[in-house]
Amino acid sequence: SQQGEEDPQALSIQEGENATMNCSYKTSINNLQWYRQNSGRGLVHLILIRSNEREKHSGRLRVTLDTSKKSSSLLITASRAADTASYFCATDNSRGSNYKLTFGKGTLLTVNP
Amino acid sequence: NAGVTQTPKFRVLKTGQSMTLLCAQDMNHEYMYWYRQDPGMGLRLIHYSVGEGTTAKGEVPDGYNVSRLKKQNFLLGLESAAPSQTSVYFCASSKQVPGTGFYNEQFFGPGTRLTVL
Repeated sequence: SQQGEEDPQALSIQEGENATMNCSYKTSINNLQWYRQNSGRGLVHLILIRSNEREKHSGRLRVTLDTSKKSSSLLITASRAADTASYFCATDNSRGSNYKLTFGKGTLLTVNP
Repeated sequence: NAGVTQTPKFRVLKTGQSMTLLCAQDMNHEYMYWYRQDPGMGLRLIHYSVGEGTTAKGEVPDGYNVSRLKKQNFLLGLESAAPSQTSVYFCASSKQVPGTGFYNEQFFGPGTRLTVL
């Protein structure tokens, strides 16, 4: 069953604007990760935030995590046409050595030039 | 490094046929995974492996078998393909951060697009 659920399902913005995507999950996690998928390609890891962290930055990306609300957000600032892709959150709630992620259904971001 | 590679890239099968998808990684990762991606469903875990010679079931294992005879390879088999197995299949690998007990990101292959008629 899906652990993470992204919101919105689709987002269309103009180049230069900021894009915010949200992820909600159901059970406690070790970490939460965000991935990007360009059309017809495999997923690429963007950023990982651990359960004891509240905010993380990487270039134009900012991720927040609120474990009390079981939610995370991904902010892409000053978006570019090249940011057009699907974005997935994935949660690690594994125990012991059985490390695995549970992915959400994704947000399709379209950045218009 | 080639990273994670998958063969074939595309395949069309008839119902009842069998095939094997091959995943290879050259990063010496312990963990390997097979996912399927269907429109509107995100990625769902089929089977995974935490090391050479080990496999475990994921969320949607029925109709698939896997083997991990070598650390660098993870094979996904369909013994009798069904139209419901039409999907894009992704392989991924990962490793534990040494000495921490933490795991980091998964590295994905480019995918195999399978159509079962």
